[in-house]
Amino acid sequence: DIVMTQSPDSLAVSLGERATINCKSSQSILYNSNNKNYLAWYQQKPGQPPKLLIYWASTRESGVPDRFSGSGSGTDFTLTISSLQTEDVAVYSCQQYFGTPFTFGPGTKVDIK
Amino acid sequence: QVQLVESGGGVVQPGKSLRLSCAASGFTFSTYGMHWVRQAPGKGLEWVAVVWFDGSNKYYADSVKGRFTISRDNSKNTLYLQMNSLRDEDTAVYYCAAAEYSYGPTGWWGQGTLVTVSS
Repeated sequence: DIVMTQSPDSLAVSLGERATINCKSSQSILYNSNNKNYLAWYQQKPGQPPKLLIYWASTRESGVPDRFSGSGSGTDFTLTISSLQTEDVAVYSCQQYFGTPFTFGPGTKVDIK
Repeated sequence: QVQLVESGGGVVQPGKSLRLSCAASGFTFSTYGMHWVRQAPGKGLEWVAVVWFDGSNKYYADSVKGRFTISRDNSKNTLYLQMNSLRDEDTAVYYCAAAEYSYGPTGWWGQGTLVTVSS
């Protein structure tokens, strides 16, 4: 199974500042035949289901603000919130869909400092 | 608009069974892969199972393999999760989610249904 890890477990950022979350897979999730990384990022607010933010590691889902961006390849990935807003307080989780089981990272809680 | 509505959750004793359903609408259900994902109280997301768009392939997390069965009825636009031999650690909110590709992200999620395993 592919193990997903995230860092940090939590972070507090001032409004308008940058938040950076890291995600690492235990093996490469880059599919060489199409050069795509099989990684998604989800945002989850209390009492709500997860919401897809980013897929293929760097493609923003429709309607997601452009302050959210994803980067990385192979085994190391990053979600960046360029200017943190109040409504971004949530838990962020990465997930690989390269191979079953489609494992999630443990999540990173983002708060306002 | 897209709707995924889970049902069937509740309180069940250890060792017993429960069947969850997920009614889909607003998209072409028969062309989407369907997943179950769960979240124990205060914990992170745990992927449980997936069934291909046509039901031809099914995969499970090790933690539920042999106890849970995912299935779908494309004529009824409904996804199921049969849960047998339930354990305390199966207590969680269970979400159904839809993916456009067999190996793809889950873009649509239901609101979830709570399963509590307790004596």
